[in-house]
Amino acid sequence: EDKVVQSPLSLVVHEGDTVTLNCSYEVTNFRSLLWYKQEKKAPTFLFMLTSSGIEKKSGRLSSILDKKELFSILNITATQTGDSAIYLCAAEHSGNTPLVFGKGTRLSVIA
Amino acid sequence: SAVISQKPSRDICQRGTSLTIQCQVDSQVTMMFWYRQQPGQSLTLIATANQGSEATYESGFVIDKFPISRPNLTFSTLTVSNLSPEDSSIYLCSAAGGPNEQFFGPGTRLTVL
Repeated sequence: EDKVVQSPLSLVVHEGDTVTLNCSYEVTNFRSLLWYKQEKKAPTFLFMLTSSGIEKKSGRLSSILDKKELFSILNITATQTGDSAIYLCAAEHSGNTPLVFGKGTRLSVIA
Repeated sequence: SAVISQKPSRDICQRGTSLTIQCQVDSQVTMMFWYRQQPGQSLTLIATANQGSEATYESGFVIDKFPISRPNLTFSTLTVSNLSPEDSSIYLCSAAGGPNEQFFGPGTRLTVL
């Protein structure tokens, strides 16, 4: 059975801290790993990772995929209160098939 | 990227009634999906909306409770029938516009009293 496991489930940090969110996956016909940020209702897309070892970066956020060990991390440096959200990791099969979501990591950044 | 709109954005419904949620994509897409997110939970796939054929439901979801329409390549509806408080959730429509692309609608927050 396909599964995506995220850790930790919740995290509280202070502004300025650096956080690392983890995502491991077991998915048949794996194609890509996606990270989303969910603040209110709909998740917003952060990164899509298809190749091992290539870091994707957007501002203070970065992510990398390890296809050998079947995991990905999302790093946020110099956290801000606006980073408070649920971060969802999802694995995609080949083809236009539904994503397999992890349970998410709830990040709270306090001033 | 595709832009997806959903209506209504939120609703409060009485037990036993039904709610139909509409999902409109600004371009033709092959696959559309409906997810549910119960309070404090991650997203759970309800079904894949197939154009021109019946939707494909995930385990635990049935057509009688969640009938879905997909009349064309840009539109789908999800009806949540015979509502109970346990159906209170956010319902999200998503669309796959091409390889490695999946976008989400803004979601519909349903509260059942």
